Amino acid sequence: QVQLQESGPGLVKPSETLSLTCGVSGCSISDYYWAWIRQSPGRGLEWIGTLHHSGTTWYNASVKSRITTSTDTSKNQFSLSLNSVTAADTAVYYCAAYTRPGGLDYWGQGAQVTVSS
Amino acid sequence: DVVMTQSPLSLPVTLGQPASISCRSSQSLVSSDGNTYLNWFQQRPGQSPRRLIYKVSNRDSGVPDRFSGSGSGTDFTLKISRVEAEDVGFYYCMQYTQWPLTFGGGTKVEIK
Repeated sequence: QVQLQESGPGLVKPSETLSLTCGVSGCSISDYYWAWIRQSPGRGLEWIGTLHHSGTTWYNASVKSRITTSTDTSKNQFSLSLNSVTAADTAVYYCAAYTRPGGLDYWGQGAQVTVSS
Repeated sequence: DVVMTQSPLSLPVTLGQPASISCRSSQSLVSSDGNTYLNWFQQRPGQSPRRLIYKVSNRDSGVPDRFSGSGSGTDFTLKISRVEAEDVGFYYCMQYTQWPLTFGGGTKVEIK
């Protein structure tokens, strides 16, 4: 069974960088595409981006100028960085496994990130 | 971007009665390969979303058969044949035919 677990700071100051990591167990990082999604009361569920260990990425235009993603095959994990954050980036951030046939197959438990000074 | 519109926003249901959620897309979700890529997710209180359905009507393993998905083109439906207490929560549709992936606004299912 594929399991995902987000980790990272729960509080980030405005204008700084939000960084999250998603640990993967039950499969290899090369077995899937990987996605980041966030959920907030005001914006609902919002797809942020999808990445593959080959380097292929797709990003939402709403964050494209501020986002960096990466995979670490040695640690079987992948990461998200979002710079120049504002209060609008406050949300629960989820990592998920993506496949073309199935969509978002598996989700992590979610990590609350609050942007505040 | 494809806009996904769900209705109703809230759905009070009596235990044992059926429930139906609508999801409409702003453009056809039929892909160039002939497939239609639509997910349904359930999000119980305090939990992360869980996939119920992929490619419109394929139920995930472990999902009770009282859940069914149907539809085509721009019009899709999730049906619960007999609502149980454990079905309370939010339900979301999501299209993955094209980037960006986009979600519906959600439907809250509650017991009357």
